[in-house]
Amino acid sequence: QKEVEQDPGPLSVPEGAIVSLNCTYSNSAFQYFMWYRQYSRKGPELLMYTYSSGNKEDGRFTAQVDKSSKYISLFIRDSQPSDSATYLCAMIHNQGGKLIFGQGTELSVKP
Amino acid sequence: GAGVSQSPSNKVTEKGKDVELRCDPISGHTALYWYRQSLGQGLEFLIYFQGNSAPDKSGLPSDRFSAERTGGSVSTLTIQRTQQEDSAVYLCASSLYQENTEAFFGQGTRLTVV
Repeated sequence: QKEVEQDPGPLSVPEGAIVSLNCTYSNSAFQYFMWYRQYSRKGPELLMYTYSSGNKEDGRFTAQVDKSSKYISLFIRDSQPSDSATYLCAMIHNQGGKLIFGQGTELSVKP
Repeated sequence: GAGVSQSPSNKVTEKGKDVELRCDPISGHTALYWYRQSLGQGLEFLIYFQGNSAPDKSGLPSDRFSAERTGGSVSTLTIQRTQQEDSAVYLCASSLYQENTEAFFGQGTRLTVV
């Protein structure tokens, strides 16, 4: 079993829809949680990060962490065609070190 | 430079040849990471550096893979006797320090072994 599980999709939604992306994990030592966005043939770019449990909002994006359920989510409101990309969740242990990534979810927002 | 720079951007090599991939991190970033991404897959951890030392090289797939970092800056990932299964995009990232959660990625080197 992988430490971080993420549904690879693909996920297709109409423009303006609310998108929910999720990851589950097995290691309770994870303390830092990130979401990266990766456009085709580009490197991943950091969208948001949260420490421990709770919510964080940035414009149309909201990240949620539920450590009791070992479950994290990224919500995208009013989705746009420019949001079409692969979204990767990533986590770091409380001791620091390497980022552990999920498989990535491919999102397509149709005009 | 302003971001993480990787070279070459594309590399085609014959099976059995050695290749070197280069990563120039953001100036002042002490932590450097190498990942591999196969088609349609997530990022597979290879190795990370804190300064010039590599506290975790657990992700290197075999002894054909090695990496070094000099002067706390440039890093080179070397793959010896390349195999077709080594074909992937190799991504480098750097962050200000190990516990810093904001890691910046380069564009990657797309390696094709024929």
